[in-house]
Amino acid sequence: DIQMTQSPSSLSASVGDRVTITCRASQGISNYLAWYQQKPGNVPKLLIYAASTLQSGVPSRFSGSGSGTDFTLTISSLQPEDVATYYCQKYNNAPSLTFGGGTKVEIK
Amino acid sequence: EVQLVESGGGLVQPGGSLRLSCTASGFTFNTYWMHWVRQAPGKGLVWVSRINSDGSIITYADSVQGRFTISRDNTKSTLYLQMNSLRAEDTAVYYCTRGVAAARGNAFDIWGHGTMVTVSS
Repeated sequence: DIQMTQSPSSLSASVGDRVTITCRASQGISNYLAWYQQKPGNVPKLLIYAASTLQSGVPSRFSGSGSGTDFTLTISSLQPEDVATYYCQKYNNAPSLTFGGGTKVEIK
Repeated sequence: EVQLVESGGGLVQPGGSLRLSCTASGFTFNTYWMHWVRQAPGKGLVWVSRINSDGSIITYADSVQGRFTISRDNTKSTLYLQMNSLRAEDTAVYYCTRGVAAARGNAFDIWGHGTMVTVSS
């Protein structure tokens, strides 16, 4: 099975900072990668799919990039409402639709 | 409003069974892949099972293969998860989710509020 490894597992940054989260696949998955945001006490929300396609309604400060094995989620200017745990998910090959372990983002 | 509403969770003893339901509204249910995703308390997201629009393609995570059965009734816009031989490690919030067509049906754009399943004696 392909494993998805996110880093860091947590980070603390100031409002306005540029934040980057990395997701690495143990094998190539082309661009079959999605990113989700889960705010405390809430259900997950789809941010990005196909590695870089922004889901409708998601603020443009969120962006995704990468292909193959290495992917990044970038928040260009961190806002207080971005406090959440972020998950990557590969979907190139069912049945294993694996999520990464999550990255918890906090405000410094 | 596009919505998914789960029901059927609860407390069950190890070895017991539960059936979860998820009722969809606000979209054409019979054209979408549907999935179940779970999240143990304080832990990350784990995909459980998926079913295609007409129920002809079904797959499961290894951890539930042979114990869980996904199904759907398109006449009722309802997704089901029959869970048998439950174990303590199945304790989690179970989310019903909709597959994004542009992502081969395998990324999840709509999530229900979740239903808690607790397996304990």
